[in-house]
Amino acid sequence: AQSVTQPDIHITVSEGASLELRCNYSYGATPYLFWYVQSPGQGLQLLLKYFSGDTLVQGIKGFEAEFKRSQSSFNLRKPSVHWSDAAEYFCAVGDGTGRRALTFGSGTRLQVQP
Amino acid sequence: ETGVTQSPTHLIKTRGQQVTLRCSSQSGHNTVSWYQQALGQGPQFIFQYYREEENGRGNFPPRFSGLQFPNYSSELNVNALELDDSALYLCASSPSGSSSYNEQFFGPGTRLTVL
Repeated sequence: AQSVTQPDIHITVSEGASLELRCNYSYGATPYLFWYVQSPGQGLQLLLKYFSGDTLVQGIKGFEAEFKRSQSSFNLRKPSVHWSDAAEYFCAVGDGTGRRALTFGSGTRLQVQP
Repeated sequence: ETGVTQSPTHLIKTRGQQVTLRCSSQSGHNTVSWYQQALGQGPQFIFQYYREEENGRGNFPPRFSGLQFPNYSSELNVNALELDDSALYLCASSPSGSSSYNEQFFGPGTRLTVL
């Protein structure tokens, strides 16, 4: 069965600094990978996804992620963090079947200092 | 285009009671999935409905059941509520077609508190 690990429970960065959130996955075939963001009391918003092709994917709000098969990683990056980016970030892997179920990591809470 | 909507927003129940949560999928989406998100955790897959049939289930007991209607809206029913059922319940809908595999659009969730 697939699994997702987000090693960092909580990260604090200064506004304007760069950001990298780590995600490692376990899956036997080519994975379908996602990053979602959740603001307090809200549902999940899709930031970006990787299905195939170019391993560097661009998303909304200036985020990007790079798929590295050799490292089983799909890290999320942003060159300059804004205070509004403070939220919980979830990495997820899809099982690629018709079931279309997602397995999520436990999340990384991002705090942005002024 | 209307997104995924869920009702109610919040709900308080007591142990042993039954609860029904509702979800309206995004226009054109025929697949609905339900997830449970406990406090401080990532969402966990409960089950999925496709064209009114259950199309996969996570590691949840049978007291978690669901329905999907011809208009693709869905219900999640939980019987014999336990304290550990307190969580945010998220509904997600997916468009049809292989290019949309796993791409799910989430509603705002229903916060269930069991006392």
